[in-house]
Amino acid sequence: EVQLLESGGGLVQPGGSLRLSCAASGFTYSTYAMDWVRQAPGKGLEWVSSITSSGDTTYYSDSVKGRFTISRDNSENTLYLQMSSLRAEDTAVYYCAKDPGFYSMDVWGQGTTVIVSS
Amino acid sequence: QSALTQPPSASGSPGQSVTISCAGTSSDVGGYNYVSWYQQHPGKAPRLMIYGVNKRPSGVPDRFSGSKSGNTASLTVSGLQAEDEADYYCSSYAVSARKVFGGGTKLTVL
Repeated sequence: EVQLLESGGGLVQPGGSLRLSCAASGFTYSTYAMDWVRQAPGKGLEWVSSITSSGDTTYYSDSVKGRFTISRDNSENTLYLQMSSLRAEDTAVYYCAKDPGFYSMDVWGQGTTVIVSS
Repeated sequence: QSALTQPPSASGSPGQSVTISCAGTSSDVGGYNYVSWYQQHPGKAPRLMIYGVNKRPSGVPDRFSGSKSGNTASLTVSGLQAEDEADYYCSSYAVSARKVFGGGTKLTVL
């Protein structure tokens, strides 16, 4: 079964850091680009970051550029999102997703919740 | 990185058809055939319904169809069913960013 499983969310103070992980299974992880997408409480989806299959190219939304770092370990089938200088507006459910092509996302994890609050 | 523009709500009766629009610019929707549509039920992860403007992934009912004209993409749901009630989001490749989403449309089946 194709599956993505996020972990690492939690409560963090403003200015703090957190690392999210996304474990992939059921497909050849190393051949697909991957994404992080977030959804603030009661709000819509927001694309956060993408990484190519090899990990050599990364992309970020303006809202997280310079604060978040996406990376992947193709030997461990795992995607990461290192988040630093966290702000209240980063509070959201964070989803990882697989990009099969056409800049779409066909497999999504269940999401992990990040709450930034003092 | 401006979001794509969707109507906040849409509705239709069972069996009817409803169309949801997604307006962008020539730098995203209008410039590339990389529009996707996602369905999201409350508390659930999104589900890919349409990719590449008008392609359906395996398992998506053929009641769902996509199209594009100029800078505006559309999702049409025909033969509305109760389980189609959900939030729908469009997404596109964008020159200014890798991907951009619309604000979402809440579809109500009356």
